[in-house]
Amino acid sequence: DTAVSQTPKYLVTQMGNDKSIKCEQNLGHDTMYWYKQDSKKFLKIMFSYNNKELIINETVPNRFSPKSPDKAHLNLHINSLELGDSAVYFCASCRVRSNQPQHFGDGTRLSIL
Amino acid sequence: SQQGEEDPQALSIQEGENATMNCSYKTSINNLQWYRQNSGRGLVHLILIRSNEREKHSGRLRVTLDTSKKSSSLLITASRAADTASYFCATHSGAGSYQLTFGKGTKLSVIP
Repeated sequence: DTAVSQTPKYLVTQMGNDKSIKCEQNLGHDTMYWYKQDSKKFLKIMFSYNNKELIINETVPNRFSPKSPDKAHLNLHINSLELGDSAVYFCASCRVRSNQPQHFGDGTRLSIL
Repeated sequence: SQQGEEDPQALSIQEGENATMNCSYKTSINNLQWYRQNSGRGLVHLILIRSNEREKHSGRLRVTLDTSKKSSSLLITASRAADTASYFCATHSGAGSYQLTFGKGTKLSVIP
């Protein structure tokens, strides 16, 4: 009955590979997010989808492509992985009204060899 | 873009003591939120304070907001070892905004 679930929890892969991270929320929220947390714990927003529509697209390389097949899912595909992509990626969701908190998954730790 | 800045970056206290963390931000906000992150886990929402509120309590948590100084503080009273975590402030810029902007966090260690 996890509210926001991400898979996989750990992802170890070689430079140049393509990988995907999946996220699902069962809270009935209309907005989902991807964040990147670096080694210094700084959390930076990457993308946001509201009702399957891309709302926020921060300065992220084109190698990162989010896909939202429905309101409950937001997946992240990464092409041609680079060493600098090593980080923890968090999915989050909320209902977009003022004063609504975001709910986070437990993160996917991506390590590039 | 970076909005909140927490202070201190790291804080170590004895169990039973109070812990105070501060957050400063740069632009006007609709509300400010505090989150906790345990090691290896996602962020968990703790408390939200609206821009027209000055103080809010939730259990052992007390949050203050000073919009004139663009700052907030989080006080954890009677700390426990289980409070050991990183604490982040996040600002919400306006009604209908989809975005929270997070600070860099304060790493709190509570020593039993």
